[in-house]
Amino acid sequence: EAQVTQNPRYLITVTGKKLTVTCSQNMNHEYMSWYRQDPGLGLRQIYYSMNVEVTDKGDVPEGYKVSRKEKRNFPLILESPSPNQTSLYFCASSPRTLRMNTEAFFGQGTRLTVV
Amino acid sequence: KNQVEQSPQSLIILEGKNCTLQCNYTVSPFSNLRWYKQDTGRGPVSLTIMTFSENTKSNGRYTATLDADTKQSSLHITASQLSDSASYICVVSHLTDSWGKLQFGAGTQVVVTP
Repeated sequence: EAQVTQNPRYLITVTGKKLTVTCSQNMNHEYMSWYRQDPGLGLRQIYYSMNVEVTDKGDVPEGYKVSRKEKRNFPLILESPSPNQTSLYFCASSPRTLRMNTEAFFGQGTRLTVV
Repeated sequence: KNQVEQSPQSLIILEGKNCTLQCNYTVSPFSNLRWYKQDTGRGPVSLTIMTFSENTKSNGRYTATLDADTKQSSLHITASQLSDSASYICVVSHLTDSWGKLQFGAGTQVVVTP
């Protein structure tokens, strides 16, 4: 089944403790991205990647890192999480640029709480 | 100010009734406009994608319209079902961005009651 898989689905952590949220897609997509969703706000892009070893900042990259060493994986790293990073996170992938009428496929989400 | 504004923020409708959700955007130029359905705690799922030259597109009981001149879109749900209870998100793709960056509205929360 074609899908985007995020892990973990739920995570509670303490301020300053490094964590990684994994994202994997099995559709051989070139484009992958990370979003965060907060109440009353639309999804906001954190980072995106147009191919292996090609990543760029989105609208809210502060406090996050990413890497794209393999096409299928795009982990999100929080080196020193803070409470303002408590949010619902989504990974998404697409086969090509979203300027085309291309579907974007979203993972099931990771609910992160930083205390 | 968000470049994609949706209204209403939320609405409650009776099962079997129709409803229309609105989306106004200022993203310009844009390449396409999308509507997504997001169940609580789950990832968004695509309903429709329209280019600037398309006026309407349907997906089952969902019909999206687009007026690129007035920068408005609507999503009409016909004969609502309990499973339609979800957040509906309007999304516009930037044309000038090579990635086609997506600009998301905050969503309209729809509750369908028996």
